[in-house]
Order: sequence, then C-alpha cells, then structure tokens
Amino acid sequence: DAKTTQPTSMDCAEGRAANLPCNHSTISGNEYVYWYRQIHSQGPQYIIHGLKNNETNEMASLIITEDRKSSTLILPHATLRDTAVYYCIVRYTGTASKLTFGTGTRLQVTL
Amino acid sequence: NAGVTQTPKFRILKIGQSMTLQCTQDMNHNYMYWYRQDPGMGLKLIYYSVGAGITDKGEVPNGYNVSRSTTEDFPLRLELAAPSQTSVYFCASSQITGVAYNSPLHFGNGTRLTVT
Repeated sequence: DAKTTQPTSMDCAEGRAANLPCNHSTISGNEYVYWYRQIHSQGPQYIIHGLKNNETNEMASLIITEDRKSSTLILPHATLRDTAVYYCIVRYTGTASKLTFGTGTRLQVTL
Repeated sequence: NAGVTQTPKFRILKIGQSMTLQCTQDMNHNYMYWYRQDPGMGLKLIYYSVGAGITDKGEVPNGYNVSRSTTEDFPLRLELAAPSQTSVYFCASSQITGVAYNSPLHFGNGTRLTVT
C-alpha cells in the first residue's frame, strides 16, 4: 500500500482557512487520495477524495499536485467543530478496496 | 437515515469470555469491514466482506471470526477475550461496483471494548 506522511499536529484560528498537507510520493497511477476525519472517538467521517484533478464539496477542497506526490486538504473557514484528527489515505486498489489508516494530523481550531 | 449501526456502544469482558459485536447497515451496500483502533493509533482492518456469504481476513484477524449471512448484517465474534483485544471497534460499509476505489466507506460510531 502507498504510504502517506502527515504532520502530527496543526493549529488554526477560527474563521481562517486550515491547510492540511499530505505527502504520498509512492502513489500509483490509479490510486485515489481520500481524506477522513475523526472527532473525539466517533467513527471516521468521510470528507473528500480525488484522483488527479482538484475537488471541492460542501465540506472542503482537495488540491493534488500535478505529479500526484502530495496533496492539501483545505477547510476554507475553520470552526471549533472542525477540531479533529484528519487522515490522508491512499486507497488500496486490491480486491478488498480497503482504507489503510495512519496516525493522521490532529487539527486544533482556536478562538 | 440510520446508516451503519453498531451495538453495544460499550462492553466490559473478563478474560476468556466471548461476545459478538453487532453491525447492521441500511444502505444495501455490498462491502462491509471491521476495523479496530487502539489508543492514539490509526484503524487496522480485521475482516471484510464483499457480499453475503463471502468474507476474508484483513491485517489483524487473529482472535476474531465473522460471518455474513445477509447483506445488512456483519457480526464480529470474539471467542476467548484477551486484554490485547481492548480497543474501539468500527464497522464500515461501501457500495462498490465498477471502479472500486471511487466509493467512500461509511463508518458506524464504534463499540468500546475493555477486557480485564
């Protein structure tokens, strides 16, 4: 499975954009990048995913570099409720189509 | 909109006891998964199923069993509980047809299990 590298923790002021980086230099051509978050000990919540092009939905934007070796998740106006652990995952393309979780980035949004 | 429902939410077991963690989904998804999460760690895959009657091992299957007799239900069985199985267990489902890696997994809110 392709590995991902994320900072252990980040801080962001409420109302500002939160930019969460992820390195996935060994990603294969047909592997998607997925982002999930986990608030307290709840189940992981799906945020967004993409293959090559930048993606945007009601929660966030995903920017993938042209060489696909890294990506950035953008929360445009972070709120206190966005405080969570954010996981960047390269989706395994085998039969199970599983998600392999690392330890993620702990984002703390402050007043 | 129930999604993925797990029961119980919390459970304490004594060493050697057995129990079944229940998971049901109402989205008619074909794929289902069981993960465990130890404190401060990411999730690890225990077992998964690609449809009723078909299951396979993940990264950490030892000490667990699963069955999938219906599309909706995917119970996880612990036969002889050990302290190493103290963890939070998450069930997930996904509808996968065609391009498998383009379909998000939807997670339940977990079962917190303590074995003492």
